[in-house]
Amino acid sequence: QQPVQSPQAVILREGEDAVINCSSSKALYSVHWYRQKHGEAPVFLMILLKGGEQKGHDKISASFNEKKQQSSLYLTASQLSYSGTYFCGTEYSGGTSYGKLTFGQGTILTVHP
Amino acid sequence: NAGVTQTPKFRVLKTGQSMTLLCAQDMNHEYMYWYRQDPGMGLRLIHYSVGEGTTAKGEVPDGYNVSRLKKQNFLLGLESAAPSQTSVYFCASSYQQSYEQYFGPGTRLTVT
Repeated sequence: QQPVQSPQAVILREGEDAVINCSSSKALYSVHWYRQKHGEAPVFLMILLKGGEQKGHDKISASFNEKKQQSSLYLTASQLSYSGTYFCGTEYSGGTSYGKLTFGQGTILTVHP
Repeated sequence: NAGVTQTPKFRVLKTGQSMTLLCAQDMNHEYMYWYRQDPGMGLRLIHYSVGEGTTAKGEVPDGYNVSRLKKQNFLLGLESAAPSQTSVYFCASSYQQSYEQYFGPGTRLTVT
């Protein structure tokens, strides 16, 4: 079953912050975050593993709440280059996953000057 | 170091025709994946491979076949194309499970 992302879309002005959520009904081993610009391939942002630390680089960070099977992606002081569609990909726990990811439907982020 | 490449970039097929999409990676990755992306659906896993000579079904395998005869290549075949297979197809590879997946540029396929 596909994880649910919220919100479906968000519009920001440069410098504003945003949070994108990813929620699963199944137990998770890891959550991957990707950004995709129109007509391009998804680009990896970060992985959060069960039992691991909150990740982050530059002004993008993420957390993983194992109890709630939820992950959140935090974008601070947004830049025009942050515009795109953000996907979470979930890897389920219980047995060998072989790295198979189930992706959410995506969150469209638009940053205006 | 080209990363993950896909050929062709675009293709138009008539219903019932067959074709093969080629994915190649030069990172010596063990794991390779084929996804399709449709509007509003995110990416869905078609088939995957955990090493040369191995393949397994993903979430939406019907109508597709795959082969991994060489470690660096992962082929996706459509034996009899249907309009429902109109989509953008992405190949990805990773070093191990639970590692970053590197995506190819995609193939846009239209079946009329």
